[in-house]
Amino acid sequence: DAGVIQSPRHEVTEMGQEVTLRCKPISGHNSLFWYRQTMMRGLELLIYFNNNVPIDDSGMPEDRFSAKMPNASFSTLKIQPSEPRDSAVYFCASSPRTEPNTGELFFGEGSRLTVL
Amino acid sequence: AQSVTQPDIHITVSEGASLELRCNYSYGATPYLFWYVQSPGQGLQLLLKYFSGDTLVQGIKGFEAEFKRSQSSFNLRKPSVHWSDAAEYFCAVGAQGGSYIPTFGRGTSLIVHP
Repeated sequence: DAGVIQSPRHEVTEMGQEVTLRCKPISGHNSLFWYRQTMMRGLELLIYFNNNVPIDDSGMPEDRFSAKMPNASFSTLKIQPSEPRDSAVYFCASSPRTEPNTGELFFGEGSRLTVL
Repeated sequence: AQSVTQPDIHITVSEGASLELRCNYSYGATPYLFWYVQSPGQGLQLLLKYFSGDTLVQGIKGFEAEFKRSQSSFNLRKPSVHWSDAAEYFCAVGAQGGSYIPTFGRGTSLIVHP
């Protein structure tokens, strides 16, 4: 079975450029999460979607960050303009529909972003 | 809101030795509890989970964890560590009856000496 697929795996860009990270969740999973991992702050939840609808984006650091989920099989996280402090590993995770919802997450391998 | 504390940033053990990684949580009711492992350059993989029932849960790769309500703990154990167990380990807690979105600890880095 295919897991959560993220692209690109590595991205190096210059300050001010637009960055788009992509995620394909596991088929049939109804929740999708974007996390950011840094040494300083650990694993931070940025936003999550339930049935393609954004539920909580309180973790999005600022207006430069935006996320979309146009359908059940695709999501993007966009940073525009990017800054060096955005350098991190960005993880996408999905979660199946369970009753009750237990929050078990399936992670992708991450996208390592370096902003110069 | 729930929270998780992993008091050890780094743990070093010799190959073949036993391992215990500590996790303490804060939540007013019975939580959902998870341990994830992250190998270098990889995403997080679920090792084991506790939802209810038997407080000693078995996971993959020979790991187990015990839920102790009185101590608000969910420590991860392995009787004999292999060099391939070197990785970052994350404890996470979700709230039964509340926000199920798990809260992650800061992680414990396991170093295995030959």
